[in-house]
Amino acid sequence: GAVVSQHPSWVICKSGTSVKIECRSLDFQATTMFWYRQFPKQSLMLMATSNEGSKATYEQGVEKDKFLINHASLTLSTLTVTSAHPEDSSFYICSAGGGKETQYFGPGTRLLVL
Amino acid sequence: QKEVEQNSGPLSVPEGAIASLNCTYSDRGSQSFFWYRQYSGKSPELIMFIYSNGDKEDGRFTAQLNKASQYVSLLIRDSQPSDSATYLCAVGSDEKLTFGTGTRLTIIP
Repeated sequence: GAVVSQHPSWVICKSGTSVKIECRSLDFQATTMFWYRQFPKQSLMLMATSNEGSKATYEQGVEKDKFLINHASLTLSTLTVTSAHPEDSSFYICSAGGGKETQYFGPGTRLLVL
Repeated sequence: QKEVEQNSGPLSVPEGAIASLNCTYSDRGSQSFFWYRQYSGKSPELIMFIYSNGDKEDGRFTAQLNKASQYVSLLIRDSQPSDSATYLCAVGSDEKLTFGTGTRLTIIP
């Protein structure tokens, strides 16, 4: 149980394009999903909290107009990196809430912006 | 600002020995505590969670929590080469997790 998938697993794109990442909870419903970013040799940094049917809550310093989050159903949240630039290259990981702050992570998406 | 501190390591432990990983946190209001394992290039995998003071055992893993000292630890008994990974301590509060930078553990055959 508690399986979370992400798609795509990796993506390479040109600077200025937009990239959409999907996060799905496969065997449970997640009212809350989270989006993290991890740079090499650093820990996970929370970008935003996504609640089904409402607007995402972004952490300080994260541009909401650049990182668009949609949580349209209890099993799907999407992160769109708009007008991506090389500095956005990172490992993006989603997680789904399993109750009492327990989070189950997806396998992550590696983004490389050329 | 909520902080979670871990020794970055690397921590080297002989196969079969006990590995001890430590973590301290700054927010006294924290209510839940987690240990995640992250292999290189992969996403974190939940190993254990603990909510109350004391010890919690699950197979070869034991989590220890001391809220008065704001300290949480993870013991790995009978360490195996497959335990070599980065271990992330995470502290939960207000439905969010704050992660430490992780301790890199290497089990030496």
